[in-house]
Amino acid sequence: EAGVAQSPRYKIIEKRQSVAFWCNPISGHATLYWYQQILGQGPKLLIQFQNNGVVDDSQLPKDRFSAERLKGVDSTLKIQPAKLEDSAVYLCASGTGGTYEQFFGPGTRLTVL
Amino acid sequence: DAKTTQPPSMDCAEGRAANLPCNHSTISGNEYVYWYRQIHSQGPQYIIHGLKNNETNEMASLIITEDRKSSTLILPHATLRDTAVYYCIVTKSAGGTSYGKLTFGQGTILTVHP
Repeated sequence: EAGVAQSPRYKIIEKRQSVAFWCNPISGHATLYWYQQILGQGPKLLIQFQNNGVVDDSQLPKDRFSAERLKGVDSTLKIQPAKLEDSAVYLCASGTGGTYEQFFGPGTRLTVL
Repeated sequence: DAKTTQPPSMDCAEGRAANLPCNHSTISGNEYVYWYRQIHSQGPQYIIHGLKNNETNEMASLIITEDRKSSTLILPHATLRDTAVYYCIVTKSAGGTSYGKLTFGQGTILTVHP
């Protein structure tokens, strides 16, 4: 069974630039999550989708972050414009929603200079 | 969700059992205990979860005290590949509108030595 795919794996940008991350969840998983993990901390949930609807985006900085999940499958997370404090690993996870077992992708490491 | 407290780091010799404690003294009756781990440069990985009873799977055992205020994750024969950050998470039962939300803390860095 293929796991959660994410791209790119690494991205370096200058502050005030824009960046987008892509996630392809495990086939059949209705629930998709984006997390931000700053060095030395645990992952923090940014947004949670159930199919193509948003369940929880309470910790998403909506002035600069946006996310969408078209057709309830793939998802993209965008940052515009980026700030230095956005440097982190962005993790995508998927699950069935019926349990708390989430399957994580390898993450995208973002460095903002 | 109830707050958890874990030691910041622990060491274990290869081949020995690793016992990772977690305190969750404010846990409520419908909250589960979940354990995840994160190996360096990888995403977190689910290990095990439980409500009241002790649980065992191919990866680990979970021992929950009778009052449910603390738990211990046991890796019976630790290997070098078990070196990781281990997260103890307490959360309400899945379903309803929660759809499996997890709140990660700082976790315990487990280092397995040869």
